[in-house]
Amino acid sequence: NAGVTQTPKFRVLKTGQSMTLLCAQDMNHEYMYWYRQDPGMGLRLIHYSVGEGTTAKGEVPDGYNVSRLKKQNFLLGLESAAPSQTSVYFCASRGETQYFGPGTRLLVL
Amino acid sequence: AQSVAQPEDQVNVAEGNPLTVKCTYSVSGNPYLFWYVQYPNRGLQFLLKYITGDNLVKGSYGFEAEFNKSQTSFHLKKPSALVSDSALYFCAVMEWPLDMRFGAGTRLTVKP
Repeated sequence: NAGVTQTPKFRVLKTGQSMTLLCAQDMNHEYMYWYRQDPGMGLRLIHYSVGEGTTAKGEVPDGYNVSRLKKQNFLLGLESAAPSQTSVYFCASRGETQYFGPGTRLLVL
Repeated sequence: AQSVAQPEDQVNVAEGNPLTVKCTYSVSGNPYLFWYVQYPNRGLQFLLKYITGDNLVKGSYGFEAEFNKSQTSFHLKKPSALVSDSALYFCAVMEWPLDMRFGAGTRLTVKP
């Protein structure tokens, strides 16, 4: 039982490049979330999903897209990366509480 | 919207002393409150939660939190701090049934 996993762990992008962050959970949870963590700002919700095939915007959705084609996977995409998207990204799924992945550090130059 | 505030960016305590990490909340209705801990280069780990019932909630690693409705607070406490407790602590409120709203975090440093 791996819980919540994220790939990659670290990535460097140039401005304008695209990438996809993958989140996988093996706990059969319906709800999944993508957060970004920035110093002094805690975690802010980017997008979330309440089930396979559904997604919704969170607090800071601009510049990101998501997909939930399979229940266990939740993908976060950056179509055209900007330096403001330099952050640590966390995925979570919700059972009795939220279970977090180990995070992806993204640096946009 | 629900929100939580952590008024202290940093808390320093000596090993063996009691520690308190403060959190206040603003919610409509009954709050679902949580504490998480984050160690360096790791995701958040659940410590404890308050849904209803006893105002003193016990959690992992010897931590507890006291829910105070009149003061709208949910402070995290531990009677005797360990160096290994040094980490970033987040208070959160669940905006049922969707997501969590997190505080900005408090960095706890326990010195030997």
